Amino acid sequence: GQNIDQPTEMTATEGAIVQINCTYQTSGFNGLFWYQQHAGEAPTFLSYNVLDGLEEKGRFSSFLSRSKGYSYLLLKELQMKDSASYLCAVRLDGGSQGNLIFGKGTKLSVKP
Amino acid sequence: EAQVTQNPRYLITVTGKKLTVTCSQNMNHEYMSWYRQDPGLGLRQIYYSMNVEVTDKGDVPEGYKVSRKEKRNFPLILESPSPNQTSLYFCASSLSPILAGGSDTQYFGPGTRLTVL
Repeated sequence: GQNIDQPTEMTATEGAIVQINCTYQTSGFNGLFWYQQHAGEAPTFLSYNVLDGLEEKGRFSSFLSRSKGYSYLLLKELQMKDSASYLCAVRLDGGSQGNLIFGKGTKLSVKP
Repeated sequence: EAQVTQNPRYLITVTGKKLTVTCSQNMNHEYMSWYRQDPGLGLRQIYYSMNVEVTDKGDVPEGYKVSRKEKRNFPLILESPSPNQTSLYFCASSLSPILAGGSDTQYFGPGTRLTVL
């Protein structure tokens, strides 16, 4: 079976740094995505990792370790508008490259 | 403007009454996908399509049908809806998981909130 785990909820303070972890056990792997979803809205793409290491994009960074089945999303200089759910998703490989498995999401609340 | 559109945005229906949720994209994307999102379960893939006339089951295909007769449209069909299909549905599209080396961004439609009584 496919399994992706993320914490259900997290709280952080405006201006701080927060790390959201994601671990996965899947039958294949061809990349890991992070999406942001505000309440009542559609998910929007944040980052993509397929090789080990850190990808930085402004205030957001994403890290991947394929050997550990582990990724994290790092949000720096938190702003109130960062309050949202963050979804980790794994793309399978081979003939299932169209198959994207999502975690249940981490609801982040940013407090003043 | 590049976008994915879904219709209707909201629908209340009754058990057994066939319905279709339309999805259309104007970005010439090859890959399209349908998801449902339920509290505590997250986003789950229903069906996906790698190109015209090519569709595959995702994780929760039971009770749904899709077709991809043309590149821009990917309708989701519920032949006989049941209350357990009450959910928030998202359509998404991207260039191609294979041609783009997997790094393609999926663009999501605004969602369709379906209630089956």
